[in-house]
Amino acid sequence: NAGVTQTPKFRVLKTGQSMTLLCAQDMNHEYMYWYRQDPGMGLRLIHYSVGEGTTAKGEVPDGYNVSRLKKQNFLLGLESAAPSQTSVYFCASSLIGSYGYTFGSGTRLTVV
Amino acid sequence: GENVEQHPSTLSVQEGDSAVIKCTYSDSASNYFPWYKQELGKRPQLIIDIRSNVGEKKDQRIAVTLNKTAKHFSLHITETQPEDSAVYFCAASLLNAGGTSYGKLTFGQGTILTVHP
Repeated sequence: NAGVTQTPKFRVLKTGQSMTLLCAQDMNHEYMYWYRQDPGMGLRLIHYSVGEGTTAKGEVPDGYNVSRLKKQNFLLGLESAAPSQTSVYFCASSLIGSYGYTFGSGTRLTVV
Repeated sequence: GENVEQHPSTLSVQEGDSAVIKCTYSDSASNYFPWYKQELGKRPQLIIDIRSNVGEKKDQRIAVTLNKTAKHFSLHITETQPEDSAVYFCAASLLNAGGTSYGKLTFGQGTILTVHP
C-alpha cells in the first residue's frame, strides 16, 4: 500500500517549457488535490477533483491545467512554465467522509 | 472564500516549555479545523483536528482549542521536545451536516517552531 505517490520528485525547467506532474493514489479516495507551497504563504490550492472525470479550480489555478481520467490518477500540467511557478507541489487525496488529507512526498520544481 | 491567518510565523522555545500557535478564520460556516506538522523536506502530516461541536481536544502533549464566536483556534504543545521542531499549519473547511467532507482545506501560512535543547 503506497498511499499517494508523486512523480517526479525534482525537476528543472526552462521558461516556456511544458511538463506534467503525476499523482497516483491506491486508497480508492474520491477527492484529489494539487497544492503549491511557497515560503511564508502556506499551501495554496491550485485545482482539485471530487471524482473521476471532474475537476475544479482552486485558489491559484492560472497557468495550470489538470485531468482526472482515472480515479487513482490526478495530473497537473504546466503548458508554458514561468519562473513564478517555481515551487514545491504537493498532491493530496481524501476519502469522502474522512477528516484529513493524505499527502504525497512533493515535487520540487525550479523554472529558470 | 475562506481565509485563514496564522501567527506567529516563527516561534522559538526552550525544551520543556509550552508553545502556542494561533489561527483565525473568516468563514463562520467552517466547522472543521485540522493541524498539520511538516518536518524539513517531508510531507505534511495530520497531528490533531477538531470539529466545531467541541471546544477543546487533547492528545497527549498536544491540544487544540476552538472559539467559534471569535473565529479563532489554537494549537498548544506542552513539554516541548527537540523533535517537535517543524513547520505547523492550521487549516479550515466545511463539513456538511452528515459529517462527510467537502474536502477543500484552506491552510494558514505556517509557523516554524524551533525547540532548543
